[in-house]
Amino acid sequence: GAVVSQHPSRVICKSGTSVKIECRSLDFQATTMFWYRQFPKQSLMLMATSNEGSKATYEQGVEKDKFLINHASLTLSTLTVTSAHPEDSSFYICSASDEGYTFGSGTRLTVV
Amino acid sequence: QKEVEQDPGPLSVPEGAIVSLNCTYSNSAFQYFMWYRQYSRKGPELLMYTYSSGNKEDGRFTAQVDKSSKYISLFIRDSQPSDSATYLCAMAGVGEYGNKLVFGAGTILRVKS
Repeated sequence: GAVVSQHPSRVICKSGTSVKIECRSLDFQATTMFWYRQFPKQSLMLMATSNEGSKATYEQGVEKDKFLINHASLTLSTLTVTSAHPEDSSFYICSASDEGYTFGSGTRLTVV
Repeated sequence: QKEVEQDPGPLSVPEGAIVSLNCTYSNSAFQYFMWYRQYSRKGPELLMYTYSSGNKEDGRFTAQVDKSSKYISLFIRDSQPSDSATYLCAMAGVGEYGNKLVFGAGTILRVKS
């Protein structure tokens, strides 16, 4: 079946620095990928839709300057959390659509 | 009213039991239905994907969709302790939703050995 690889699985960074998270579709091409954020004991919250070769579409309330999304190829989308602060600490998950929607394994970001 | 309603549980069952998980939705624009299993600190794993009313079976899992009642179910037969996880229903549609997934709140399942 479809596989989505997400890297890194866990990252700790200092407040004020930037962190890049990669999402790759390994055995299919994904013109659209999605980025989610998940808080403890809650469901997934869609942050943005990443479209290959064009600008991402952000959900209401998501700061596009803080969460930079780049989808430069049909198999790779990246999310960069810029000038990270402790409140950005969360679990970030990407997904891509093939038959159904396949999710990456998630990235736990801790900002200290 | 939420677009997708799902009882958060927790649901606790003995090993070997049949588990029934359910979601209701309000908007007939939803046409594609999925069930995911999520273990703690992991990404959701796709279990079932359906787009028509009726039943779809895969191993111990059966997904049921009733579009007329706007109701979907996931049945797990011969439940195992390894099935203990959070189960999320998700839907996608057309029109205002485009290709975005809308999730239920997730049901926590605990299978006791």
